[in-house]
Formats: sequence, structure tokens, C-alpha cells
Amino acid sequence: DIQMTQSPSSLSASVGDRVTITCRASQSVRTYLNWYQQKPGRAPKLLIYAASSLQSGVPSRFSGSGSGTDFTLTISSLQPEDFATYYCQQSSDALVYNFGQGTKLEIK
Amino acid sequence: QITLKESGPTLVKPTQTLTLTCTFSGFSLTTTGVGVGWIRQPPGRALEWLAHIYWNDDRYYSPSLKSRLTITKDTSKNQVVLTMTNLDPVDTATYYCAHLNGNMYHSFDHWGQGALVTVSP
Repeated sequence: DIQMTQSPSSLSASVGDRVTITCRASQSVRTYLNWYQQKPGRAPKLLIYAASSLQSGVPSRFSGSGSGTDFTLTISSLQPEDFATYYCQQSSDALVYNFGQGTKLEIK
Repeated sequence: QITLKESGPTLVKPTQTLTLTCTFSGFSLTTTGVGVGWIRQPPGRALEWLAHIYWNDDRYYSPSLKSRLTITKDTSKNQVVLTMTNLDPVDTATYYCAHLNGNMYHSFDHWGQGALVTVSP
């Protein structure tokens, strides 16, 4: 199985900060990498698919990059509504679509 | 507009079988590239992919749970059913179903609200 590892596990930041979250795959997933945002008590929401494509309706301050094994999710200027937990998910291995362990973004 | 909703028991006893139904609208599971997946989340923990099924009836399961899971679809009812056998308290979680978009790099682009299932004697 392809294992997905996110770093950091948690992160404190302030409104207006630029934030980067990293996701590493144990083997190449090409660009079959998706990012989700989850707020407490809510279902996850797709932010980025195919490593760098912004889902419709998602603010442009969110961006994704990477290919192969190393990926990043960047929020260019944090807004109050961005404090949440973020998950990466690989969809390269047709048999297993697993998630990373999550990165909790908290207010400093 | 795509919507999904999970339904099933909220409380299950250990060793019992759990049957969850995902009822959806706004898409068809006969459309090429479309699928429905199940993902769960134990309280305070990370998302865990369980299984998914595609329009062509291809089915995929988490290797660690494969022996306990069955996923099926009923296209006439717009439903996908997940069955999990031999429940244990560690299976206590919120269970989500989600629309799987094969044309968007197999991402889960629409999610149900989730259903909390507690496993307890």
C-alpha cells in the first residue's frame, strides 16, 4: 500500500500568514493527489484535485503543487474561516485511496 | 445539485453486522467515471477510506478491512450499501459516503453529512 504522511501534524498561525502543509507519499502517485478541508462537526470538503487544480468555488488563496512523492498545500493569506484540519489523499493506486493523518491548523 | 445522505443504525452491539445505506441524487451510477465511496472517522481521529464502487461495478476495499466489508449498488434506487461484519468498539466512528469523480482524478467531490455509529454492548 502507498502510505501518505503529512507534516506538520499541527500548526499555529495568525490571520494573514502564509501557510504551507506538506504531504509525502511512500511511492510515486504522479499527480493523483487531492486535498480536503474539514471543520469540526462537518464533512470534509474538496479543495484541490490533481495536485494543483482548484475545485470550483474554492478561494484562490488556496493552491497546491507537487508531483511524484512530494506535495504542498499553500494558503497565501490565512483567513479566520481557514482554521480547520487538512487532509491529503492519493488516488493513484486504483486499489486503495488512502488519506494522510491530517494537519490541524490553529489560531496563534 | 449532487446530494448524498447516509442512513443506518446509530448503536450496534459487538459482533453484530452493520448495514449502512447511502442514498444520493443529482447523478447516476450508470454514468462512466462515476463512483461512490465510504470513508469513516473515529472520534477525534483521521479519515479512513473503507471502500468504493464504480459505475461498471468494480469494487475496491481497504486491505485491512477487506474480509469484513461488502459494497453494493442499486442504480434503480440511487443507493449504495456498505455492510461491515463482526463489529467491535474500535469501529465506533462517523461514516461518510461521498461521490467519487473519476474525471477529476478520482477525488471525492461531494460528501454526505455523515452518520455516527457507536459500537457498544
